[in-house]
Amino acid sequence: DVKVTQSSRYLVKRTGEKVFLECVQDMDHENMFWYRQDPGLGLRLIYFSYDVKMKEKGDIPEGYSVSREKKERFSLILESASTNQTSMYLCASRRDRGVSGELFFGEGSRLTVL
Amino acid sequence: AQKITQTQPGMFVQEKEAVTLDCTYDTSDPSYGLFWYKQPSSGEMIFLIYQGSYDQQNATEGRYSLNFQKARKSANLVISASQLGDSAMYFCAMREGGGGSYIPTFGRGTSLIVHP
Repeated sequence: DVKVTQSSRYLVKRTGEKVFLECVQDMDHENMFWYRQDPGLGLRLIYFSYDVKMKEKGDIPEGYSVSREKKERFSLILESASTNQTSMYLCASRRDRGVSGELFFGEGSRLTVL
Repeated sequence: AQKITQTQPGMFVQEKEAVTLDCTYDTSDPSYGLFWYKQPSSGEMIFLIYQGSYDQQNATEGRYSLNFQKARKSANLVISASQLGDSAMYFCAMREGGGGSYIPTFGRGTSLIVHP
């Protein structure tokens, strides 16, 4: 059974803390994505990675960074958390072959920044 | 301008009836694809159905079908015989271009509630 696992379902952090959101996939997928989901705004792409050590900015990269040292793991980092980063964060992966490949998503990490 | 527009923030349907969720898209690329995803309250997004721009027939997957009207740039999701478990958020998404490493764009979603 294919799976994308996000390390934490719920996190509460304080303003200024460094936050790590981890995502692991067991499908040997080349592509991985981090989205942010807010009510009424849908999913907005923060960063994506085509392969190990490769990363590209999405639509809203400000305040975030990512790391992909291994193919199966894609980490999202909030260097100094702020209250406007309170949101649901979704990780996804996809095989880099064919044009109809769907995304596989994790269960999401709901972050609250106080 | 939004590339994917879902104009229905919320929809209600009676159990066992059919429901159509609207999605319009905007692209100038002749090669593109459209996806629908379901997000139950548990949070995990689930892929439902895909339609390629060159596909001749509308896609179907069980109770899900995609009403693809290319000239109108619409790709509505039709759920037949609604079930209580269909209550969820539904997102339309698009990829542009024919390459393998595409970046999908998502709409804002439609919340569907199925009444018993």
